[in-house]
Amino acid sequence: DTAVSQTPKYLVTQMGNDKSIKCEQNLGHDTMYWYKQDSKKFLKIMFSYNNKELIINETVPNRFSPKSPDKAHLNLHINSLELGDSAVYFCASSQSRQGRYNSPLHFGNGTRLTVT
Amino acid sequence: ILNVEQSPQSLHVQEGDSTNFTCSFPSSNFYALHWYRWETAKSPEALFVMTLNGDEKKKGRISATLNTKEGYSYLYIKGSQPEDSATYLCASDLLMDSSYKLIFGSGTRLLVRP
Repeated sequence: DTAVSQTPKYLVTQMGNDKSIKCEQNLGHDTMYWYKQDSKKFLKIMFSYNNKELIINETVPNRFSPKSPDKAHLNLHINSLELGDSAVYFCASSQSRQGRYNSPLHFGNGTRLTVT
Repeated sequence: ILNVEQSPQSLHVQEGDSTNFTCSFPSSNFYALHWYRWETAKSPEALFVMTLNGDEKKKGRISATLNTKEGYSYLYIKGSQPEDSATYLCASDLLMDSSYKLIFGSGTRLLVRP
């Protein structure tokens, strides 16, 4: 009965390929996020959607494209994968967008992407 | 550049010791301060969210305080147990580029020896 689930858990692929990571939350939350854990272990925000509307789009290469078909899903598609894209990607959700109420994040278990 | 910094980076304590970590954040553009506990091979789990200066929150042996004027928060663990071993992340909800964003520190890795 996972609250925030992302698939796959591991993804190994070659440079130049296109891949997707899926995320679903069953908490009824309005806001979903993608975070990237960088080489120094920091969690860096990439995107945030609130009720299917993009509200945060950090300086991320446009090879990364999020898609939110409904407020329970936020998928991440990556085109033309590069070596530097190797990282752990975390999906998360919160009751409401940041800056309103006190909404902690609920995280998925992460997807470890390895580009060879 | 708005940074959230945590110290120490890592900490080894003996079972039964009490310990504390620090999170510092920009005091301007501040909305909320989050603490998360992140065990190995799991995902971060929320411990506390605090917004008001002077806020104190407690969950079992873990408590946290907030000083928004000077931009710091402390996390305390009383009588550490081996199961407290984890990375403790703080994150500050900051207004950046007209939207609020949760900016994470790099964490404090705690190891409690039995």
